[in-house]
Amino acid sequence: DVKVTQSSRYLVKRTGEKVFLECVQDMDHENMFWYRQDPGLGLRLIYFSYDVKMKEKGDIPEGYSVSREKKERFSLILESASTNQTSMYLCASSSGGTLAKNIQYFGAGTRLSVL
Amino acid sequence: GNSVTQMEGPVTLSEEAFLTINCTYTATGYPSLFWYVQYPGEGLQLLLKATKADDKGSNKGFEATYRKETTSFHLEKGSVQVSDSAVYFCALSEGGGNKLTFGTGTQLKVEL
Repeated sequence: DVKVTQSSRYLVKRTGEKVFLECVQDMDHENMFWYRQDPGLGLRLIYFSYDVKMKEKGDIPEGYSVSREKKERFSLILESASTNQTSMYLCASSSGGTLAKNIQYFGAGTRLSVL
Repeated sequence: GNSVTQMEGPVTLSEEAFLTINCTYTATGYPSLFWYVQYPGEGLQLLLKATKADDKGSNKGFEATYRKETTSFHLEKGSVQVSDSAVYFCALSEGGGNKLTFGTGTQLKVEL
C-alpha cells in the first residue's frame, strides 16, 4: 500500500515563527502536492512538485514556500506564520505517466494552529 | 478555469436509506472525474473515478456516472451504513495534468 506520512498530526505555533511541515512518501512517486483544507472551501492547492528540486505554484501560494531535495520528501514552509494560516494541511503524492494512473494518495493531515 | 460544485451538507440519513450527493463541474476540455472520501481523523482516499463520458465508476456499493451533457458526476449508494459517515469530495483533473480541482466537500452522517 502507498503510504504518505506527515510528520505531525497537530502543531501549535506563534505568530511570526518559521514553520516546517514535512511529508514523506514511500512509493517512488514523481508528483507531490500540498493543500490546505478549510470548512466551506474544500481543498486548495498551495504548491506542487513534479520532480526533485522542481516546484510550481498552486492556487494559493502566498505566504508559503516548499522544498523538494529528495524524491520522497516534500516540505512546506511558512516563513512567518500568521493567524490566517491556521488550517488543516494535507500532503499528497501521485505517480507520473498516464492519467489513469494519476491517482493522488493523501497523508492524514497536520492541523496547524497559529496563535 | 475549472471548477467543481457540490451540494452543501451536512446530509443526514437513516441507515439503509438511498444516498445521492450532487456534483457538477465546469471545464474547458474533457476532464477525468473523481470522488474522494475522508473518514474522521484521516486523509482523503479515492473512492471511485471515471475518465470519459458515460463511464461509470463504482466501489464499495457507491457509483457515479460521468454525464457530459449535464456536466455532472453524482454519487449514489442504494443503502447507506453508519460506517459511510464521512466527508465526500468531488474532483476533476484535466488535460493529462496532475492537478486536481476539488469541490467544497459534503458531510454525510448516517444514523441508526
